[in-house]
Amino acid sequence: NAGVTQTPKFQVLKTGQSMTLQCAQDMNHEYMSWYRQDPGMGLRLIHYSVGAGITDQGEVPNGYNVSRLNKREFSLRLESAAPSQTSVYFCASSAGGTGVSYEQYFGPGTRLTVT
Amino acid sequence: LAKTTQPISMDSYEGQEVNITCSHNNIATNDYITWYQQFPSQGPRFIIQGYKTKVTNEVASLFIPADRKSSTLSLPRVSLSDTAVYYCLVGPDYGGATNKLIFGTGTLLAVQP
Repeated sequence: NAGVTQTPKFQVLKTGQSMTLQCAQDMNHEYMSWYRQDPGMGLRLIHYSVGAGITDQGEVPNGYNVSRLNKREFSLRLESAAPSQTSVYFCASSAGGTGVSYEQYFGPGTRLTVT
Repeated sequence: LAKTTQPISMDSYEGQEVNITCSHNNIATNDYITWYQQFPSQGPRFIIQGYKTKVTNEVASLFIPADRKSSTLSLPRVSLSDTAVYYCLVGPDYGGATNKLIFGTGTLLAVQP
């Protein structure tokens, strides 16, 4: 039982390049989310999914697209990376919901630098 | 969602009990209180959750007074490995995607030998 896994762990992009961050969970959770964490800040919600093929925007969705092809995997795509997207990205999953009362399981993060 | 206020940082020594207090003056009747722990270079990890009075698990205790306007996370006999950022989150007991986690800046606990 690996929990939530993310790839890659580190990535450096040039401005304008694109990339996809991958996330997978093996806990059969319905809910999955992507967060970003900037230095010295708390996490901010980018997008979330309530099931395969169903996604919605979070607090900071601009510049990001997501895809949930099946229950297990949730990917985050940057179509044209910008320096403002330099951050650590965390994927999370939950059995019951995206809110406070349901335990969120977080992945180890992807550290992205855009130059 | 209720706004939370917690100290930016705290210092402690190994073996001491640490209490981190979170203020949430406008907590609603159906709000729960949840604490997460985040080690450097890792994702947050759920520690404990409560609604009122006291909750204890193998990691920590959570004390919630009768008015629920604050809560205190208690870590018994901390060690160097408890050095982390601790987040207090408050929100309603709704399932689904109607509510989202809102993380503040948390409390950086530094444990020294």
